[in-house]
Amino acid sequence: AQSVTQLDSQVPVFEEAPVELRCNYSSSVSVYLFWYVQYPNQGLQLLLKYLSGSTLVKGINGFEAEFNKSQTSFHLRKPSVHISDTAEYFCAVSDPGGGGGSNYKLTFGKGTLLTVNP
Amino acid sequence: EAQVTQNPRYLITVTGKKLTVTCSQNMNHEYMSWYRQDPGLGLRQIYYSMNVEVTDKGDVPEGYKVSRKEKRNFPLILESPSPNQTSLYFCASRRLLGGHVGSGANVLTFGAGSRLTVL
Repeated sequence: AQSVTQLDSQVPVFEEAPVELRCNYSSSVSVYLFWYVQYPNQGLQLLLKYLSGSTLVKGINGFEAEFNKSQTSFHLRKPSVHISDTAEYFCAVSDPGGGGGSNYKLTFGKGTLLTVNP
Repeated sequence: EAQVTQNPRYLITVTGKKLTVTCSQNMNHEYMSWYRQDPGLGLRQIYYSMNVEVTDKGDVPEGYKVSRKEKRNFPLILESPSPNQTSLYFCASRRLLGGHVGSGANVLTFGAGSRLTVL
C-alpha cells in the first residue's frame, strides 16, 4: 500500500523568504506524484505533478518540486513567498494504473499549513 | 467549461436524516471518486467508480452509499448520518481510457467541495 508523509504540519515563514515543504512517500511500484493547494475556505487546486521525464517539475505561482527516487521524496519549493501563498498544501501519490487491483486512488498526506507573515 | 459540480456546497442536518450529495462532471470521464477531508487527516477515499454500474469501496466507506447509473453523475448517499460524518467532501473525476503519459488523462479534477455538518 502507498503512503505519504508530510514531515511538517505547520510552516511559518516571513514574506519574501524561501520555503521548502517536505514530502516523502512509500510505494513498491512506480508512482505519479502531485502537490495540491487549498486556500482558506476553497477547494483543491493542482499546483504541479510528476508523471515521467525530468525530475524537476515546475508548477503554477512560482512553485517547483523535485522527484528523488532514491530518497522517495517530492519536496515542494518556492524561492520567495508572498502573503497570498498562505494556504494548506497536500502532497499526493498514485500508481500509474492499468494493472490488476489498481483503483487509481490518490493517497494524500495530512497536509502542511504554510503561513506567510509580513 | 470542464468541471466537476457538487451540490449542496454547505449543509447542516440532524442525525438520522437521509441526505444525498450530488456530483456531476461534464468531461465524459470514466472514473469518479469521493473523498472526505478532516483536520489533521488529509483526504481519504470513500468510494470510487470505474464506469457506469461499477463501484467499489475506498478506505472509509462505512456509513456511505454511492450509485453510478449515468456516466456523468456519482451521488454520495448518507442513509442515516451521524456526527462523525461531519466533514468536507470532495468529488473528483478523471479519464481512464486513452491519453498519453503527461496528458490530463492522469490527473484527477476535483469539485469545489461540500461542507456537511451533522448535529
